[in-house]
Amino acid sequence: QKEVEQNSGPLSVPEGAIASLNCTYSDRVSQSFFWYRQYSGKSPELIMSIYSNGDKEDGRFTAQLNKASQYVSLLIRDSQPSDSATYLCAVNNAGRRALTFGSGTRLQVQP
Amino acid sequence: SAVISQKPSRDICQRGTSLTIQCQVDSQVTMMFWYRQQPGQSLTLIATANQGSEATYESGFVIDKFPISRPNLTFSTLTVSNMSPEDSSIYLCSVELLAGNRAGELFFGEGSRLTVL
Repeated sequence: QKEVEQNSGPLSVPEGAIASLNCTYSDRVSQSFFWYRQYSGKSPELIMSIYSNGDKEDGRFTAQLNKASQYVSLLIRDSQPSDSATYLCAVNNAGRRALTFGSGTRLQVQP
Repeated sequence: SAVISQKPSRDICQRGTSLTIQCQVDSQVTMMFWYRQQPGQSLTLIATANQGSEATYESGFVIDKFPISRPNLTFSTLTVSNMSPEDSSIYLCSVELLAGNRAGELFFGEGSRLTVL
């Protein structure tokens, strides 16, 4: 079982719709959770971090965490073509400072 | 965030040669990491670069193949030794900021894209 799992996609949504990206993780003691956006040919860019259960909103982005279900998600409201990228879920496990990354979900926003 | 500069940004190398990648950060950070991203894949941690001590390597990565230096709090190098085509990848330097509510967040350099012929 992979430590961090994501659907590879592509996830295709029309412009203006809500894009929902999901991630599950296997280590129950994971403490910190992150979403990165990676454009083709570029390095990952941090867009959201979440540390406790519930929702965290930042502009058009909302991260949701459910530790009981070992599930973290990212919602992108009013999706724009410029949001088209690969979204990487990353998890920080207790006692370990490095992040473990999922394989990423490719999002395509259709104009 | 921090400004993280990597050199070279890309290179084409011959089989059997070695290449050293440099990572320079504009502020002092405690933790520096080296990741690899093979074509179409996600990020895999190679090692943690520790200042003042040997790097800590992940399973499947060894010091002889990927020697790492960290002479101070703002600089690290990763060498890819005796390269083969399987080493063709993007190598990414990453740093952790510890201040305030940004704890645990990693920031990445632009990456070094290596192609081994």
